[in-house]
Amino acid sequence: QKEVEQNSGPLSVPEGAIASLNCTYSDRVSQSFFWYRQYSGKSPELIMSIYSNGDKEDGRFTAQLNKASQYVSLLIRDSQPSDSATYLCAVRRGGSNYKLTFGKGTLLTVNP
Amino acid sequence: EAGVAQSPRYKIIEKRQSVAFWCNPISGHATLYWYQQILGQGPKLLIQFQNNGVVDDSQLPKDRFSAERLKGVDSTLKIQPAKLEDSAVYLCASSLAGGEKLFFGSGTQLSVL
Repeated sequence: QKEVEQNSGPLSVPEGAIASLNCTYSDRVSQSFFWYRQYSGKSPELIMSIYSNGDKEDGRFTAQLNKASQYVSLLIRDSQPSDSATYLCAVRRGGSNYKLTFGKGTLLTVNP
Repeated sequence: EAGVAQSPRYKIIEKRQSVAFWCNPISGHATLYWYQQILGQGPKLLIQFQNNGVVDDSQLPKDRFSAERLKGVDSTLKIQPAKLEDSAVYLCASSLAGGEKLFFGSGTQLSVL
């Protein structure tokens, strides 16, 4: 079982729709969860972090965490063509001395 | 604020040759990471430094890869000898000590022929 798994994609949504990206992780003691966005040919950039069960909203982005189900998701409301990118889920066991493990990523395309 | 600097941007070598990558983290960032990202995959941690000490190198192929961070600032990653499967983008990232947010450099795209 892979440490961090993401829905395989690619995911295509029309402009203005909600994009839903999912991630599961295998390490039950994981404590920190992140979503990075990576445009084609560019480096990853952090867009959301979440540490507690429930929802965390930041603008059009909502991260959801369910530690019992070992599940993390990212919702993008009112999707824009500029949101087209690969979204990487990343998980860390504890503080910064623990390694950050990335999933394979899900390619999202938002069609105008 | 200057970002994470990496060089070279691209490198093409033949298998069995050696190659080195350089990284200069954001000033004041104590933690430095080297990731390998193969096309279509997520980044895989190769090595993590805290100042000039190694925190995690469990996934570094130590028979061919080496890394150092002298004086707790710049870092170099070396591959010797290179294999075809080493073709990837090598990403350097840094963070504040105890910081959760990683800042990535532009990466070095390595092609091994």
